[in-house]
Amino acid sequence: EVQLVESGGGVVRPGGSLRLSCEASGFTFDDYGMTWVRQVPGKGLEWVSGINWNGDNTAYGDSVKGRFTISRDNAKNALYLQMSSLRVEDTAFYYCAKSTCGSGGFWCPLTAWGQGILVTVSS
Amino acid sequence: EIVMTQSPSTLSVSPGERATLSCRASQSVFNNLAWYQQKPGQPPRLLIYAASTRATGVPARFSGSGSGTEFSLTISSLQSEDFAVYYCQHYNVWPPFTFGPGTKVHIK
Repeated sequence: EVQLVESGGGVVRPGGSLRLSCEASGFTFDDYGMTWVRQVPGKGLEWVSGINWNGDNTAYGDSVKGRFTISRDNAKNALYLQMSSLRVEDTAFYYCAKSTCGSGGFWCPLTAWGQGILVTVSS
Repeated sequence: EIVMTQSPSTLSVSPGERATLSCRASQSVFNNLAWYQQKPGQPPRLLIYAASTRATGVPARFSGSGSGTEFSLTISSLQSEDFAVYYCQHYNVWPPFTFGPGTKVHIK
């Protein structure tokens, strides 16, 4: 069974930094691209960032470009999102999701999702 | 960035009735379109990918159609467990792979 478990969320001041982690199990992690999606409580979904199977291809949404960095450690079956220069509007649930591309990319549907982790940016 | 829009924003449907949800892309995404269902307190669940292919375990009452810029999701006979929010998302080549704002399907 595919499992994705996010951690590292919490409360941070505007301008601060936080690193989210996603521990994956139940599938061959380094065969698949991965994606971060966020959701302001009560609002819609926003695509944040994607990474291919070996980490040499990444992309970001416009609202986080230059502030967030996605990475992965295939030896640890882990996905990360380093968030810096955080803003109040970054407050959201952050989901990691498995991208099911045969090529190991992230330009494909999201077939499995974690339960999400809340990040609150507040002074 | 491709902008995804969905209509209607809310849909009131009685159990057993048919529901049709629409999704439009600001430029062609070919058939690189997925539909997700989200219930309160849960992560989204993939229903449809490649515009019309049901994901594993998705009941046959869910069907998707369309290509290019116009897409639809049809639920042929709504069950109580189908009342949720539905999102479309494109994944056509260039990120960001934006989502639509969602359609909330609730009980009439």
